[in-house]
Amino acid sequence: NAGVTQTPKFQVLKTGQSMTLQCAQDMNHNSMYWYRQDPGMGLRLIYYSASEGTTDKGEVPNGYNVSRLNKREFSLRLESAAPSQTSVYFCASSGGAGGYSNQPQHFGDGTRLSIL
Amino acid sequence: EDQVTQSPEALRLQEGESSSLNCSYTVSGLRGLFWYRQDPGKGPEFLFTLYSAGEEKEKERLKATLTKKESFLHITAPKPEDSATYLCAVQAQTGGYNKLIFGAGTRLAVHP
Repeated sequence: NAGVTQTPKFQVLKTGQSMTLQCAQDMNHNSMYWYRQDPGMGLRLIYYSASEGTTDKGEVPNGYNVSRLNKREFSLRLESAAPSQTSVYFCASSGGAGGYSNQPQHFGDGTRLSIL
Repeated sequence: EDQVTQSPEALRLQEGESSSLNCSYTVSGLRGLFWYRQDPGKGPEFLFTLYSAGEEKEKERLKATLTKKESFLHITAPKPEDSATYLCAVQAQTGGYNKLIFGAGTRLAVHP
C-alpha cells in the first residue's frame, strides 16, 4: 500500500515564486492535514480538512492556501514564497468521523522546500 | 496553554542498554497520546496510541505508558536499528476539532 504520497520530494524556489505541493492518500480517510517541521520545533499544523469539501486554518496558516480536491487529494499552495517558509512539509491523513476523530494520523515522507 | 515537552533532546545508548524517553504534557480535554518514530528523510511512522491513564502498549522492544501528566517510552535492550527520532503528540479537543500537539522529539542513537 502506498499510504500517503507527496510530490515533489524536493524543491528550490526564489522569493516571490509560487508553487503547489501535492498530497494523495489511498486509505479512504476522511481527514487530511498539512504540517511544517522546522529544526528544534514540533510539527505545526498549517491547515486541515475534516472531510471532503471543508478546510480550516491550523496554527500557522499565513502565507498558505489549500484545496481539498476530492476525498483522496489535498494540496497546499504558496502564492508568494518567502525565505521564512523554508521547511519540510508533511501531509497526513486519518480515519474516523472528520475532525472529531481520535484515530492516529498517517504521514507521507515530506517535501523539502528551500526558498532563496 | 496546551504544551508537550519531550526529554531528553538526545540520547546515546550502547546496544542492550535499556532506557526511557519522557513526554510531559499540559492540555485540556485529552483525547489521546500518540508515539511516532521518524527516520532521517522520512515522515513520522505511527507506533502507539494511549487513551487513558494507566494504559500500556507494547511492540517488540518498545513499551509506552501513560499517566495524567506524562508518558514514557521504554526501550528494552535496544539495537542499532532502533536509532531514530521519537515524537510524542497529544490530541486535545479545541474549537470543534481534535488538535494534535507535537513535542520536538528525542533523537536516539544506539551504538553497537
